[in-house]
Amino acid sequence: GAVVSQHPSRVICKSGTSVKIECRSLDFQATTMFWYRQFPKKSLMLMATSNEGSKATYEQGVEKDKFLINHASLTLSTLTVTSAHPEDSSFYICSARRDREETQYFGPGTRLLVL
Amino acid sequence: KQEVTQIPAALSVPEGENLVLNCSFTDSAIYNLQWFRQDPGKGLTSLLLIQSSQREQTSGRLNASLDKSSGRSTLYIAASQPGDSATYLCAVAPYNNNDMRFGAGTRLTVKP
Repeated sequence: GAVVSQHPSRVICKSGTSVKIECRSLDFQATTMFWYRQFPKKSLMLMATSNEGSKATYEQGVEKDKFLINHASLTLSTLTVTSAHPEDSSFYICSARRDREETQYFGPGTRLLVL
Repeated sequence: KQEVTQIPAALSVPEGENLVLNCSFTDSAIYNLQWFRQDPGKGLTSLLLIQSSQREQTSGRLNASLDKSSGRSTLYIAASQPGDSATYLCAVAPYNNNDMRFGAGTRLTVKP
């Protein structure tokens, strides 16, 4: 159990468009979901933490108006990159955690390329 | 602010060799430490999770140790195989278990 999926796995878009990435916990209810970003050969950086039904908590330096996070249900969180620019090109990974558990289960990641 | 460092950044070994990957962290007030494997362009696979009260965890050919007081963890891989080639990341979680901090990873290549 504890499978997390992401969709799409890869997306290419034009500069100025918005892209939505979905993160789903397939076989458990995730009270908390996390969004990470990874640049090539760099470590993952936490972007934001979202709890179901409440606003996401963003890390310092992450623009909340640019990276919109919605955690509308216990199995789905979405990350929308608004008005994407080439510098937003990156690998985005989500993770999900059950209530009162410590383990985060990671999704397979979404590679975003903005042209 | 917690900082996680992994040494070496890259490692190439012949098949069959035993090897050790290192992870250090600056703040010893951690909740747990986790080792992950990441294949190119893929997500993370959790390998071992060590609670702050534990010294080590083992899974198959993998053994991870934790010395919280010195801010160090090692991942030992026995009898390495070409299929072990991947990037290995360590991550530490604070007591609220939210803000996991990752190292930059060690890229391991096991040559046949």
